[in-house]
Amino acid sequence: QKEVEQNSGPLSVPEGAIASLNCTYSDRGSQSFFWYRQYSGKSPELIMFIYSNGDKEDGRFTAQLNKASQYVSLLIRDSQPSDSATYLCAVNRGVGNQFYFGTGTSLTVIP
Amino acid sequence: KAGVTQTPRYLIKTRGQQVTLSCSPISGHRSVSWYQQTPGQGLQFLFEYFSETQRNKGNFPGRFSGRQFSNSRSEMNVSTLELGDSALYLCASSSGTVNQPQHFGDGTRLSIL
Repeated sequence: QKEVEQNSGPLSVPEGAIASLNCTYSDRGSQSFFWYRQYSGKSPELIMFIYSNGDKEDGRFTAQLNKASQYVSLLIRDSQPSDSATYLCAVNRGVGNQFYFGTGTSLTVIP
Repeated sequence: KAGVTQTPRYLIKTRGQQVTLSCSPISGHRSVSWYQQTPGQGLQFLFEYFSETQRNKGNFPGRFSGRQFSNSRSEMNVSTLELGDSALYLCASSSGTVNQPQHFGDGTRLSIL
């Protein structure tokens, strides 16, 4: 079983719609959860992080965490073509800074 | 504030050679982690250094090693290069406190011929 699993997609949404990206993790003791965006040929860029159950909002982005279900999601409201990228979910078990990454979900926002 | 700086950006080596990659973290950051990214395996953790000590290690062979200097700069060395070592090597820095976000450099693209 992989540490972190994501639907690889591709996920396509029309401009202005809500994009929903999902991630599950295997270690129930995981403590912190991160979403990164990676454009083709570029390095990962931090979008959001969340530690506690519930929702965390930052602009058009909302991260949701459900530790009981071992599930993290990222919602992108009012999706823009510039949001087209691969989104990586990362989990830290809390032992130093060893992040476990999912393989990423490719998102395309269609104008 | 300057970001994470990795050098060189590109490297071409042949099988059997060794290579050293460098990473300068964000000013004030004391933790540096290294990752290997390939199309098939995604991002895989190599190791983390904090205060000049290796704090975590991933499941890579001993050919992969690293170190951290007193100014928090880090180097990663790969010896006896194999074709499968071709990848993007990413360095990420954080404050060092557990569970804080990591910020990535632009990476070093290593190609093995």
